[in-house]
Amino acid sequence: DAGVTQSPTHLIKTRGQQVTLRCSPKSGHDTVSWYQQALGQGPQFIFQYYEEEERQRGNFPDRFSGHQFPNYSSELNVNALLLGDSALYLCASSSRGGYTFGSGTRLTVV
Amino acid sequence: KNEVEQSPQNLTAQEGEFITINCSYSVGISALHWLQQHPGGGIVSLFMLSSGKKKHGRLIATINIQEKHSSLHITASHPRDSAVYICAPIYSNYQLIWGAGTKLIIKP
Repeated sequence: DAGVTQSPTHLIKTRGQQVTLRCSPKSGHDTVSWYQQALGQGPQFIFQYYEEEERQRGNFPDRFSGHQFPNYSSELNVNALLLGDSALYLCASSSRGGYTFGSGTRLTVV
Repeated sequence: KNEVEQSPQNLTAQEGEFITINCSYSVGISALHWLQQHPGGGIVSLFMLSSGKKKHGRLIATINIQEKHSSLHITASHPRDSAVYICAPIYSNYQLIWGAGTKLIIKP
């Protein structure tokens, strides 16, 4: 049974560019959450998707947007990248509170 | 006051020692995750528990919902157990509340 799959695993982008990160949830999970983890820090909640709608949102600017597809997979989009957006982006799928995490996408903005 | 308090923040021990990490939280919850993250790596859920005790190999997790307290124990610790351990209670809306984590180093 495949867990949560994130792609790509690593990415380097230039300041001002846009990026799309992808997440395929664990089979049977209907909810996807995204987190940003800066080096040496704990994960910060970006948003959560359920039934293709953004259900919860953390304290992130509108440059961060997302989408959930009918098959429950999800995308995280970040526009106008800043150097401070460099981080590990974690996706977690869940069902009734039982979370499974992906290995993350390491984004470096130069 | 943080909603989730973990202790200790840092712990260094010798291989073979018995390890305990504690977690206290201030809101009512129905369940809680114990998570593990190795340096530079993704996060793995070790346990999700809502009552009593769970055991997986050398890891044991306990929770007392009424007292709002949970503990993670590692028996016969090994250097490969070195990681950050995070207590993450689950809100009623299924949202995780993140503890600050405990950085554990096991020396050979």
